[in-house]
Amino acid sequence: GAGVSQSPSNKVTEKGKDVELRCDPISGHTALYWYRQRLGQGLEFLIYFQGNSAPDKSGLPSDRFSAERTGESVSTLTIQRTQQEDSAVYLCASSYRASDTQYFGPGTRLTVL
Amino acid sequence: AQSVTQLGSHVSVSEGALVLLRCNYSSSVPPYLFWYVQYPNQGLQLLLKYTTGATLVKGINGFEAEFKKSETSFHLTKPSAHMSDAAEYFCAVSAVSGGYQKVTFGIGTKLQVIP
Repeated sequence: GAGVSQSPSNKVTEKGKDVELRCDPISGHTALYWYRQRLGQGLEFLIYFQGNSAPDKSGLPSDRFSAERTGESVSTLTIQRTQQEDSAVYLCASSYRASDTQYFGPGTRLTVL
Repeated sequence: AQSVTQLGSHVSVSEGALVLLRCNYSSSVPPYLFWYVQYPNQGLQLLLKYTTGATLVKGINGFEAEFKKSETSFHLTKPSAHMSDAAEYFCAVSAVSGGYQKVTFGIGTKLQVIP
């Protein structure tokens, strides 16, 4: 089957605008993760969904960031009132179970002008 | 809390030379350990992982890593570097914490292979 897909691949927005990033996980994967990768830095954990359990939001940097996932399907990451420091590549990953190998999407490169 | 330390954000080796990328971790519970590779403008992909059992783990592209509990290390090695190995490598630790399966990544090591 297909791997993890993300859209859009690139997004340029103006400071203060809201953006929505989408992730389609591998079918059947119960766990879904969002990460942020700033230029020259490692992966920064944002949020984790496991089945129908309450998500682990401990990595969200501010209340401008939110994410949703319906069941075990698509997830959206929303950033409100974007700031220049939000510019990064946003990576989504899914795994069959939480402790299993994560399969990563190609990422969405967000540029905030 | 768990953490991962990758020593050396940039490593350069000559083609054909040994590749050694260092990873140390801390975890209060037995962890799962992973190495991922990221080629330019691509997402991460799994190289290898340790869960339980044999401490020497073999992965794709000739890479291997050894889990050393006494040293809390999971260093990545390859006997002979190839030009195609130039990429960024991330070590990760996964363990249950606070009811969640926490996955923590290191900051990454960029491998340069010199012809």
